[in-house]
Amino acid sequence: QQQVKQSPQSLIVQKGGISIINCAYENTAFDYFPWYQQFPGKGPALLIAIRPDVSEKKEGRFTISFNKSAKQFSLHIMDSQPGDSATYFCAAGHSGGYQKVTFGTGTKLQVIP
Amino acid sequence: DSGVTQTPKHLITATGQRVTLRCSPRSGDLSVYWYQQSLDQGLQFLIQYYNGEERAKGNILERFSAQQFPDLHSELNLSSLELGDSALYFCASSRGTDTQYFGPGTRLTVL
Repeated sequence: QQQVKQSPQSLIVQKGGISIINCAYENTAFDYFPWYQQFPGKGPALLIAIRPDVSEKKEGRFTISFNKSAKQFSLHIMDSQPGDSATYFCAAGHSGGYQKVTFGTGTKLQVIP
Repeated sequence: DSGVTQTPKHLITATGQRVTLRCSPRSGDLSVYWYQQSLDQGLQFLIQYYNGEERAKGNILERFSAQQFPDLHSELNLSSLELGDSALYFCASSRGTDTQYFGPGTRLTVL
């Protein structure tokens, strides 16, 4: 019930291409879905987050698409750049209160020139 | 800079030893979370504290313990260390709602 499944495990994309990472959750009580970006040797940093009352959220080249009925959400990185090479974690949790967020297993993205 | 500080940055110790990792949350954050990340692995949630009280427990070994003090800083104690405990240990904090802000981590090496 608390699992968040993330795919693919790794991804290689050409510079300028679109990177797509998918996540699925089971707990319908989740109402907060953040994405974190982690560079080697650094802590994860919040990239973008969405709540289930919207189906899409865009911030610059990063877009989250959310499908509530399928219990799936995805991160799209448009015009991928070598500087986007990092590990990306999706997560799901509950807004409000103090319950922990459940993380996906991570996707290692490499953008090649 | 997330505002979360962790000390030390690096720690090298021997098997069987005990170490303490320290975390200071962002100003105003009441929740502190501890995570373990082994090489090329995901984030394994260990434990969460909220305003001094334990709120959630993950895959934390019995050899590990944590606490959150009245000034809201937290310590993670790792004892009887094994080679497999070598990892990055992250602390994160939040205002008790949703977004977690991660510290830079402590890299533990057990020889």
